[in-house]
Amino acid sequence: ETGVTQTPRHLVMGMTNKKSLKCEQHLGHNAMYWYKQSAKKPLELMFVYNFKEQTENNSVPSRFSPECPNSSHLFLHLHTLQPEDSALYLCASSQESGSGTQYFGPGTRLTVL
Amino acid sequence: QKEVEQNSGPLSVPEGAIASLNCTYSDRVSQSFFWYRQYSGKSPELIMSIYSNGDKEDGRFTAQLNKASQYVSLLIRDSQPSDSATYLCAVKGGNDYKLSFGAGTTVTVRA
Repeated sequence: ETGVTQTPRHLVMGMTNKKSLKCEQHLGHNAMYWYKQSAKKPLELMFVYNFKEQTENNSVPSRFSPECPNSSHLFLHLHTLQPEDSALYLCASSQESGSGTQYFGPGTRLTVL
Repeated sequence: QKEVEQNSGPLSVPEGAIASLNCTYSDRVSQSFFWYRQYSGKSPELIMSIYSNGDKEDGRFTAQLNKASQYVSLLIRDSQPSDSATYLCAVKGGNDYKLSFGAGTTVTVRA
């Protein structure tokens, strides 16, 4: 595997389900990010981790819960989501936190019914 | 919160022509500027970065920055059908972790 990988690529869940998104980077980077991309809207930064410590929580609702066990892995735990949470969730990494040179994974297309 | 504005397009250009994309930003202290390309159904990939006023060229791409007017642009010369994508402008301030993105301009190159 190379670059940034994400699983699953597609996810359909009900509002009462609990699911998790997984991201893994194979670039030796120290910073990882979760973004939300909705149609016709700018990418929204959700969380930033630097050396597996959370450095940014961009006012994200608590139904989204991130986890970063090490610098290579990042999870986004989902529970009691709303239909408006349906979007493309992108993971990214960079050499250091704050870098504008970020490498994105392919994303998880989430649909909340 | 930095705001980054782009025309959503679509911008339709004939093959071989120059595509010109513009981006304005609200935070005057922004220091670093980036252009990402996103093909339909794919994730963004960085194609250009610029930090100083003026032009920066990389192959068929030229980024232009004017901090006084708070705009950054991207020119695509000799446009090819493979350039058809959405181009995202991203701006970073000097002291935070956040990269603020515009909503993107969709470019279609007609063969």
